Amino acid sequence: NAGVMQNPRHLVRRRGQEARLRCSPVKGHSHVYWYRQLPEEGLKFMVYLQKENIIDESGMPKERFSAEFPKEGPSILRIQQVVRGDSAAYFCASSPSGGGQPQHFGDGTRLSIL
Amino acid sequence: QKEVEQDPGPLSVPEGAIVSLNCTYSNSAFQYFMWYRQYSRKGPELLMYTYSSGNKEDGRFTAQVDKSSKYISLFIRDSQPSDSATYLCAMSAGSGNTPLVFGKGTRLSVIA
Repeated sequence: NAGVMQNPRHLVRRRGQEARLRCSPVKGHSHVYWYRQLPEEGLKFMVYLQKENIIDESGMPKERFSAEFPKEGPSILRIQQVVRGDSAAYFCASSPSGGGQPQHFGDGTRLSIL
Repeated sequence: QKEVEQDPGPLSVPEGAIVSLNCTYSNSAFQYFMWYRQYSRKGPELLMYTYSSGNKEDGRFTAQVDKSSKYISLFIRDSQPSDSATYLCAMSAGSGNTPLVFGKGTRLSVIA
């Protein structure tokens, strides 16, 4: 019974490159959330998606960041033209329905920008 | 004022001690309250999930919510070295599709 799967676990990019982070939710979960965790900081919400729809992207920077959750396949968080400040751990969570249901997290992708 | 305040610690206790972890919050719309445990280099693991005010017990863990004081607690009885981790409180309004708002986390060390 697989939980939330994220890959890659570690990703190194040079400034200006693109980063793609993948998240496969728990089987049967149709709601996906992305959070970012900086050192010594709590998790900060970025974006909330259902299949093929962005529900809430209020925590995601307007430029360079995008997210999708297609009908088939994993959710993707895409960061274009990465900068050093993008270095963080990015966590994905999923839930069977929205509205306060417990979210279950993956082990994250640690993004390092050289 | 931050929406959720949590003392980052670190908190160090001897094995077998009772541990008390707390968070305060400012948004009276929060209805769902969670505690997550996060080991180093791992994702948050859901420990406790409660709705509105009251207590909930699960094994050695007890979660308390006092909405009138905007204060939540997690108690760990008979603490073990394996409980050493960062504990994150999280909450949401739960109306519609709202994201979780997290505290910064409290780092706990249980010394054998």
